[in-house]
Amino acid sequence: EAGVTQFPSHSVIEKGQTVTLRCDPISGHDNLYWYRRVMGKEIKFLLHFVKESKQDESGMPNNRFLAERTGGTYSTLKVQPAELEDSGVYFCASSPRQGSSPLHFGNGTRLTVT
Amino acid sequence: LAKTTQPISMDSYEGQEVNITCSHNNIATNDYITWYQQFPSQGPRFIIQGYKTKVTNEVASLFIPADRKSSTLSLPRVSLSDTAVYYCLVGDVDSSYKLIFGSGTRLLVRP
Repeated sequence: EAGVTQFPSHSVIEKGQTVTLRCDPISGHDNLYWYRRVMGKEIKFLLHFVKESKQDESGMPNNRFLAERTGGTYSTLKVQPAELEDSGVYFCASSPRQGSSPLHFGNGTRLTVT
Repeated sequence: LAKTTQPISMDSYEGQEVNITCSHNNIATNDYITWYQQFPSQGPRFIIQGYKTKVTNEVASLFIPADRKSSTLSLPRVSLSDTAVYYCLVGDVDSSYKLIFGSGTRLLVRP
């Protein structure tokens, strides 16, 4: 089974520009999550989709971040406009169900805002 | 979600058994204990999960005492490829997706 894939693996943009990160979850996984690790900090939860619906977006830092999951398959996370403090690694994860089901993480997108 | 405390780093040698202990004094009745492993430039990878007593799978064992205020991840006969960061996480079933990662334990396995 293919794992969670994220694209791009790296992105370098200038402050004020827009970047869109993509995540393809494991096929059949209804639950999709975004996490991020900003420089020097711990990995933190951003939001959770169940199919195409946002279940919990309590971790989204501000309205410059927009996540979508049209059709309940892949998801995108757009940062517009990007700020320096948005630099970090953005992880996507998926799981077949909630509860005690473990999360399967992708390898992340390393975002650098200059 | 309960806060966890783990050693920042540990050293070991190939072939040894490694035990990483995690404290979670405020664990709630519905909380599970989950361990993830992370290699550089990769996402966290699920290792093992338990609620009480002992759980064993093909890669590790998890020991949880009766009071559940701590847990120990046991890695038998480590190899160089087990060098990674290990995270202990605690959370209830309904919000277990909202993982709270601490600093983790950086394990270095030497030849």
